[in-house]
Amino acid sequence: LAKTTQPISMDSYEGQEVNITCSHNNIATNDYITWYQQFPSQGPRFIIQGYKTKVTNEVASLFIPADRKSSTLSLPRVSLSDTAVYYCLVGPSSGNTPLVFGKGTRLSVIA
Amino acid sequence: GAVVSQHPSWVICKSGTSVKIECRSLDFQATTMFWYRQFPKQSLMLMATSNEGSKATYEQGVEKDKFLINHASLTLSTLTVTSAHPEDSSFYICSARPTRDRGRGPEAFFGQGTRLTVV
Repeated sequence: LAKTTQPISMDSYEGQEVNITCSHNNIATNDYITWYQQFPSQGPRFIIQGYKTKVTNEVASLFIPADRKSSTLSLPRVSLSDTAVYYCLVGPSSGNTPLVFGKGTRLSVIA
Repeated sequence: GAVVSQHPSWVICKSGTSVKIECRSLDFQATTMFWYRQFPKQSLMLMATSNEGSKATYEQGVEKDKFLINHASLTLSTLTVTSAHPEDSSFYICSARPTRDRGRGPEAFFGQGTRLTVV
């Protein structure tokens, strides 16, 4: 499974846009890129997923360049409740493959 | 969206006793479920892959005789921590992926986690 690298931590003020970049140089052709959010003492929660180019949903955007060796999660206008750990994962679509977590990025939103 | 329910949310047990944690996929079938362990301020660490109707596959360093996994049906997997000790205190999380690939990539759904404290 492709290994991912993310910044360990980031700080942001409320109302700002936050971009978290993840490197996955060894991504395979059939791998998707998925981002999860985790609050303390809770299981990870799905944020967004993509294969290439740009994906947007009601909470975030995901930008994936043509070579797919990196991806950027964009959180528009963060609030205090967005303080969490964000994980970038890559993996194939097979249901039998576990998702392997990297260290994640601890985002702290400050008032 | 799909839901994975984990029970209990927290448990305190005495050293030497066993604790069972249940993981259920509520609205989809999962041939395979996954168990993770998470220590404070650390990432999730994969412990084992639970396969319906067959033996679980354990990651290196995880004692299969201590962490018993049973996947008796397509919607239920259980993790039993046997003869628990204080060092087993951790946050345990299960995950399930739909058996049928819906063509939307590796969707994985996670339970809410179980906080185990061994005293």
